[in-house]
This record gives sequence, structure tokens and C-alpha cells, in this order.
Amino acid sequence: AQTVTQSQPEMSVQEAETVTLSCTYDTSESDYYLFWYKQPPSRQMILVIRQEAYKQQNATENRFSVNFQKAAKSFSLKISDSQLGDAAMYFCASLPYGNKLVFGAGTILRVKS
Amino acid sequence: GAVVSQHPSWVICKSGTSVKIECRSLDFQATTMFWYRQFPKQSLMLMATSNEGSKATYEQGVEKDKFLINHASLTLSTLTVTSAHPEDSSFYICSARDPQGAGNTIYFGEGSWLTVV
Repeated sequence: AQTVTQSQPEMSVQEAETVTLSCTYDTSESDYYLFWYKQPPSRQMILVIRQEAYKQQNATENRFSVNFQKAAKSFSLKISDSQLGDAAMYFCASLPYGNKLVFGAGTILRVKS
Repeated sequence: GAVVSQHPSWVICKSGTSVKIECRSLDFQATTMFWYRQFPKQSLMLMATSNEGSKATYEQGVEKDKFLINHASLTLSTLTVTSAHPEDSSFYICSARDPQGAGNTIYFGEGSWLTVV
């Protein structure tokens, strides 16, 4: 069974600062994808970043980067130079090949000006 | 990028009636679509996986006769909430897997708010 755990219900960050959101997962599959999605108040799910498990290099998308520790089954998201528009609910998700996308409980990120 | 369109965005229906929500992949053929339900400030709960041309696979605890899913074509999946009750009121969101996309790309619809009165 797949499980995704986000242990931080809420996080706050000062504008322009850096914040890290935690995520751990459990899967018996050897090949899988990991994702971070952002859900603003509009409820639209927005893909932030994607990591393929077979790749050792951590994915990076502009101000967003991940720390992928496969052995520890950890997949944290770092947001640098935080902006007011980053405020949202963030979901970590795992997707074994050909299987279903499973989400963590989510972390509400608040950005203070 | 690819787009998944969900309709309607908002729907209000009377208790006991049925309501249908559509999920369309606009510029790719989606062999697999997923339906989720989301309660306020909670995560997305997978209800079922919809495969084109075959029966949907429901998650444990989801009533098959209550939530009818049809995936009649490669670009359309529908969720019908039958004999709706106030407790069915929720945010429903679909997603579609683009088999040609890189990295198992999954796109989400805009979601549908269902209110049963």
C-alpha cells in the first residue's frame, strides 16, 4: 500500500525567506514518481515540481527545489525567496508506475509580509 | 500545457435527485482518469479510477451504486451522484493521465462544488 505523510499541518514564512515542507512516503514499488502540488484558494491543483525515483539528482524549478532521500523515503520541498503568491495548501504525492496518485494530508503555507 | 476541463464548476441540487459532473481532456487522450473528493481543509481522497471502455475501480468504502462513473471515450469521464443527500455536498475534482506526456503527467480539472439542499 502507498502512504504519504506530511507532518506539518501549517507552516509560516516571512516574505523573501526560505521554508522547507516535509514529506515522507512508503511504497513497495521500485519505480515511482513523487510530486508536490500547490492548491490556492481557487482549489485548482497546480504542479510545483516532479521527481523520478530513479534519478539521484534533486529536481529544481526556479525557486522550488526538493531534497529527495530515497533510502529514507523522504521528499521535502524547499521554497526560496518566498512570495505572497506562494501562500497555499501544499500536497506531497506519490505515483508508482501505472498506479494511482496518492496524496498526503497537506501543509498550509502562510507567507507574512 | 494540456488542459482538463471539468463541468459544472458549481451545482446545487435537491435531496433525492441525481447530478452529473463531466471531466474532459481537451488536447490529449486520457486512458485513465481519477475522481477525488475533498472536504474543507483536508486532502484529496481518491474515490475511483476510471478506465476507458471498462468498469471503474472504486476505492474501499466508496459506494459504487451511489457514485456512478462512466468513461465512454478517451476524452470524457463522468461522475453521477445518484439520490444525492446533504452529506454528499463536497468538492469533487478529476484528473487525467496523459500517456504520451513525460513523467506520468497528470492534469487536474478545476473541480466542482456540489451542494445538496
